[in-house]
Amino acid sequence: SYELTQPLSVSVALGQTARITCGGNNIGSKNVHWYQQKPGQAPVLVIYRDSNRPSGIPERFSGSNSGNTATLTISRAQAGDEADYYCQVWDSSTYVFGTGTKVTVL
Amino acid sequence: EVQLLESGGGLVQPGGSLRLSCAASGFTFSSYAMSWVRQAPGKGLEWVSAISGSGGSTYYADSVKGRFTISRDNSKNTLYLQMNSLRAEDTAVYYCAKDGGAESSSGNGLDYWGQGTLVTVSS
Repeated sequence: SYELTQPLSVSVALGQTARITCGGNNIGSKNVHWYQQKPGQAPVLVIYRDSNRPSGIPERFSGSNSGNTATLTISRAQAGDEADYYCQVWDSSTYVFGTGTKVTVL
Repeated sequence: EVQLLESGGGLVQPGGSLRLSCAASGFTFSSYAMSWVRQAPGKGLEWVSAISGSGGSTYYADSVKGRFTISRDNSKNTLYLQMNSLRAEDTAVYYCAKDGGAESSSGNGLDYWGQGTLVTVSS
């Protein structure tokens, strides 16, 4: 089955840029979605189809996808961006989630 | 405004059954695929099952195949998950989520989520 690997944690200074990677075999050929989940809350879609932002998601969130790695970038990080982030793809008639990354804003 | 409201969670013994429901409003329910996603306590997200907008196509994670059944009633704007032969490892918060397209393969992700319902499997 397809696997998506994310770093366990990423730390970023307030106002700086955080990059969260999602590794998978030839992931560049798939549509990658990213979700933000804050403690006690349901996940929120922040990027779909590699680099598209749903309405209401700040421009500070961006995504890219190539080769074996997809990346979620959070620019000008704010305290409110502290959360768990998950990547996701559709593969072989199943959705697959990444292992999740905890983002800490220092 | 899109709203998804799950219900039906609770405490059940190993080997038992439970049926979850998800009442949808604020969009044309039959036009969108739906998924169930679960999250065990302190763990990550795990996709469970999906169904196309028409209900004609269903998909399952290997971990639940043969035990869980997803269905929908488009006349009632309601999604269901019938869970049989429950195990301790099925303990989790179960979320229903709306897909961005009529099929999960549409490449739009899960754009709206409910608040979840807790299922606890324990004797």
